[in-house]
Amino acid sequence: DAKTTQPPSMDCAEGRAANLPCNHSTISGNEYVYWYRQIHSQGPQYIIHGLKNNETNEMASLIITEDRKSSTLILPHATLRDTAVYYCIVRAYPRSGGYQKVTFGTGTKLQVIP
Amino acid sequence: DARVTQTPRHKVTEMGQEVTMRCQPILGHNTVFWYRQTMMQGLELLAYFRNRAPLDDSGMPKDRFSAEMPDATLATLKIQPSEPRDSAVYFCASGSQGFGANVLTFGAGSRLTVL
Repeated sequence: DAKTTQPPSMDCAEGRAANLPCNHSTISGNEYVYWYRQIHSQGPQYIIHGLKNNETNEMASLIITEDRKSSTLILPHATLRDTAVYYCIVRAYPRSGGYQKVTFGTGTKLQVIP
Repeated sequence: DARVTQTPRHKVTEMGQEVTMRCQPILGHNTVFWYRQTMMQGLELLAYFRNRAPLDDSGMPKDRFSAEMPDATLATLKIQPSEPRDSAVYFCASGSQGFGANVLTFGAGSRLTVL
């Protein structure tokens, strides 16, 4: 499994864009980048995932570098409710009939400041 | 929105007692995960089921923990006997096959305190 590296913590001013980096220099060609977040006392929540193209949904944008060795999750206008731990995970789709664990590292604790 | 339902939300028990936590996965999801979260260890994967069959429970202490899926709508995690070090928040998550396999929906968790 590709290992990910994230900064342990970041601050962001409310209303500004939050850019959360993730390094996955050993990513394989068939592995996707997934982002989850965990707001205090809640279960983790899926945000977005991508393979090599940039992706956007109603929650965030995901920018993956051309060499796919790193990515950035962007929350365009951070609010206080975005204060959470953000996890970057690299996984491949399991082969037909196969399975795989989905494991979480320590993530980045994002504090949105008023 | 479809949800993963976990019960109980909170449980306080004494050391040595049996604890059962329940999870109702999203209808149609065929994979179920059990995780444990503590401040010291973060999110640990305990067990994984697909189509109700346990595929991996290597993260689970075998002597006191057991996980089952008696049917497609219910997953259980039992601890017998419980110990203070089992105090944690236990999360259940479910997912689908194929392209959705790594997109998990988590329940709100069961917070266990063993005195």
